[in-house]
Amino acid sequence: QKEVEQNSGPLSVPEGAIASLNCTYSDRGSQSFFWYRQYSGKSPELIMSIYSNGDKEDGRFTAQLNKASQYVSLLIRDSQPSDSATYLCAVNPIGFGNEKLTFGTGTRLTIIP
Amino acid sequence: DTAVSQTPKYLVTQMGNDKSIKCEQNLGHDTMYWYKQDSKKFLKIMFSYNNKELIINETVPNRFSPKSPDKAHLNLHINSLELGDSAVYFCASSHLRGGIDTQYFGPGTRLTVL
Repeated sequence: QKEVEQNSGPLSVPEGAIASLNCTYSDRGSQSFFWYRQYSGKSPELIMSIYSNGDKEDGRFTAQLNKASQYVSLLIRDSQPSDSATYLCAVNPIGFGNEKLTFGTGTRLTIIP
Repeated sequence: DTAVSQTPKYLVTQMGNDKSIKCEQNLGHDTMYWYKQDSKKFLKIMFSYNNKELIINETVPNRFSPKSPDKAHLNLHINSLELGDSAVYFCASSHLRGGIDTQYFGPGTRLTVL
């Protein structure tokens, strides 16, 4: 079983709609969770981090965490063509912080104008 | 102004050669990392150094040897390159105080082994 699983996509969403990206993880002791965005040919950049159950909002982005279900998601409201990228879910399986991140394989998101 | 820089950006070499990739960060961070991203875009940590000390060493062939001369630099030397070493290698850095901080990634080095 993979430690961090994501649907590889591609996920196509019309411009202006909500894009929903999902991630599950296997280590129940994980404490910190991150969403990175990676444009083609570029390096990953952090867009959201979440540590507690519930929702965390930052602009058009909302991260949702459910530790009981071992599930973390990212919602992108009012999707823009510039949101087209691969979104990587990352989990720290050894405790609090980001010393050792385990990444999922990423979901490729395409926003259709 | 570049926060995390890597050289070279592209590296094409023959099997069996030895090569190095250099990384520098000017963010004042105390922790640096090397990641490998394969052709399927899977990003996996290889090594992590905190204040020049190795703190994470994943299951990586011993042909790969990281070296941190100071907190701002983390280099990666690879001996006897193999076809399977072809990938994009990313350097990253962060603070480890309390553990919660963003990892900033360098632009990557695309290594192609022929």
